[in-house]
Amino acid sequence: KNEVEQSPQNLTAQEGEFITINCSYSVGISALHWLQQHPGGGIVSLFMLSSGKKKHGRLIATINIQEKHSSLHITASHPRDSAVYICAVDTGNQFYFGTGTSLTVIP
Amino acid sequence: DTAVSQTPKYLVTQMGNDKSIKCEQNLGHDTMYWYKQDSKKFLKIMFSYNNKELIINETVPNRFSPKSPDKAHLNLHINSLELGDSAVYFCASSQDLTSGNTIYFGEGSWLTVV
Repeated sequence: KNEVEQSPQNLTAQEGEFITINCSYSVGISALHWLQQHPGGGIVSLFMLSSGKKKHGRLIATINIQEKHSSLHITASHPRDSAVYICAVDTGNQFYFGTGTSLTVIP
Repeated sequence: DTAVSQTPKYLVTQMGNDKSIKCEQNLGHDTMYWYKQDSKKFLKIMFSYNNKELIINETVPNRFSPKSPDKAHLNLHINSLELGDSAVYFCASSQDLTSGNTIYFGEGSWLTVV
């Protein structure tokens, strides 16, 4: 069993829909990261969370430390949001990665 | 300027060869990393370097060796390449080893071993 589990694995949405990607982890962490990997392969760090909620444009990330759960929300989704979204946790000693959620937003 | 740059972007080579992937960061960060992404898109950390010292050495074959000539560079050397080494390798950096730093990734190097 992976230390980090993401759901769903694949997600197809219509443009404009509200999207949620979930991440659950089983280890103690000091921070959680949400990463975005574009179809060309490059990886961008979207958020780094240790508590609460962060917002950047149409993206919102939340974390519940007690429940060991984080969500990434995309409001008013757009085809350019199509990418793989990866959850990663930092235990202070090492990183564990989820297997990613492949999002396709259809015009 | 690209914050974290790695070269080459694409590399096709035969089994048994020795190859290197170079990485440079111009952010003044103290810590650099190498990650491997396999065919199932699973990311796994291979190494991290802090101030030129190896901090994390995950259970990777000793055919893989990181080399850091200075704080801004962390190169990945691979000896005796095997088919299973085919993957995308990402270099990254962060300010230091303090938990919760934003990680900056390079664009990846696609290695294909034939």
